[in-house]
Amino acid sequence: DGGITQSPKYLFRKEGQNVTLSCEQNLNHDAMYWYRQDPGQGLRLIYYSQIVNDFQKGDIAEGYSVSREKKESFPLTVTSAQKNPTAFYLCASSPTAGANVLTFGAGSRLTVL
Amino acid sequence: ILNVEQSPQSLHVQEGDSTNFTCSFPSSNFYALHWYRWETAKSPEALFVMTLNGDEKKKGRISATLNTKEGYSYLYIKGSQPEDSATYLCASPKGANSKLTFGKGITLSVRP
Repeated sequence: DGGITQSPKYLFRKEGQNVTLSCEQNLNHDAMYWYRQDPGQGLRLIYYSQIVNDFQKGDIAEGYSVSREKKESFPLTVTSAQKNPTAFYLCASSPTAGANVLTFGAGSRLTVL
Repeated sequence: ILNVEQSPQSLHVQEGDSTNFTCSFPSSNFYALHWYRWETAKSPEALFVMTLNGDEKKKGRISATLNTKEGYSYLYIKGSQPEDSATYLCASPKGANSKLTFGKGITLSVRP
């Protein structure tokens, strides 16, 4: 079945360490997105990619980095520069860029100790 | 309305009750309104995408309406069941080529 796979599901890291969250899709979608969810807040866009080898900052990109070397993969690195990295991270994709329906992964919960 | 807003933030109902939620969004430059359902430990799933003023869409016991002139959408659940317990998200882009802006979500809990 087509879908989005995020890994790991849970991740614990020490403060100051970079961590990378994986996102893979087999839907042949051009666009991919990373969102962050915090309690009491809506999903906030971190980065998005409209096509391979291209990506743009979302609303809260500071302290994060991404790459899009393959169509099916869009990993997110949470760097030590991110001041409040503990959160739930959701990856999503859509057939093309723009205001299309999103298909989401199951998410990764990062806890920084 | 500058952002996408949802109310109430949480709702507790008894099995069999009907319920409804509100999503408010900027009415200027309206392009589309999305509803997603997010069950615990699962991925958010799209329920409806609505684009035309007066649109009404239905999926089983769940339906949604859209008023683009005044900037709101209602989501109705008829005869709530425990399996309807989830967080319901609405989202709207700022234009055709813009990314979705999400509301904070409404968490529904249906007691058996």
